[in-house]
Amino acid sequence: GESVGLHLPTLSVQEGDNSIINCAYSNSASDYFIWYKQESGKGPQFIIDIRSNMDKRQGQRVTVLLNKTVKHLSLQIAATQPGDSAVYFCAENSNNFNKFYFGSGTKLNVKP
Amino acid sequence: DTEVTQTPKHLVMGMTNKKSLKCEQHMGHRAMYWYKQKAKKPPELMFVYSYEKLSINESVPSRFSPECPNSSLLNLHLHALQPEDSALYLCASSQDPGPYEQYFGPGTRLTVT
Repeated sequence: GESVGLHLPTLSVQEGDNSIINCAYSNSASDYFIWYKQESGKGPQFIIDIRSNMDKRQGQRVTVLLNKTVKHLSLQIAATQPGDSAVYFCAENSNNFNKFYFGSGTKLNVKP
Repeated sequence: DTEVTQTPKHLVMGMTNKKSLKCEQHMGHRAMYWYKQKAKKPPELMFVYSYEKLSINESVPSRFSPECPNSSLLNLHLHALQPEDSALYLCASSQDPGPYEQYFGPGTRLTVT
């Protein structure tokens, strides 16, 4: 069953500010990572990915940084908008086929 | 078309019922997945189908039975579920069974009474 009182970590930002969402991954052999956005009542939506031979990748208003030394991934969202409010998950691909493990998630709350 | 569709959107079933969840994609993807997601938790992998064959079963109880009738369809047959099985069931697909982007459907919200 569910844990009573379990809350997702929440990041609250003002509209127009930049947001940084962090993720610590567990498997040093993971070589592919994805950031997903999940809005209430919807399935996860792909935002950006990065492979382990890179340490930075940019998309439209988003940047992913990968630090393999400390097994850390971050998602930067520029000029955050109310439509960015959602739960954000990082996912790592283990060295076993196409098996993704998801991080615990961060709720982004954008204040107008 | 980058869409994965799932039906039904909501399902309420008793513990003695048998029901099925359906997932469809027309992107020509060769890998399809079932995930279970509880409230405020990340998705948890249940099954992986690769080229229409079951390749990964994450020790899922036998009351959940997956089926891949063809390359576009994925079913999840449910029988004798427990209330703790209530969750959002997500289907996803990717172009190949490797480290590729997975496209998710909107999910089926299942309630077991």
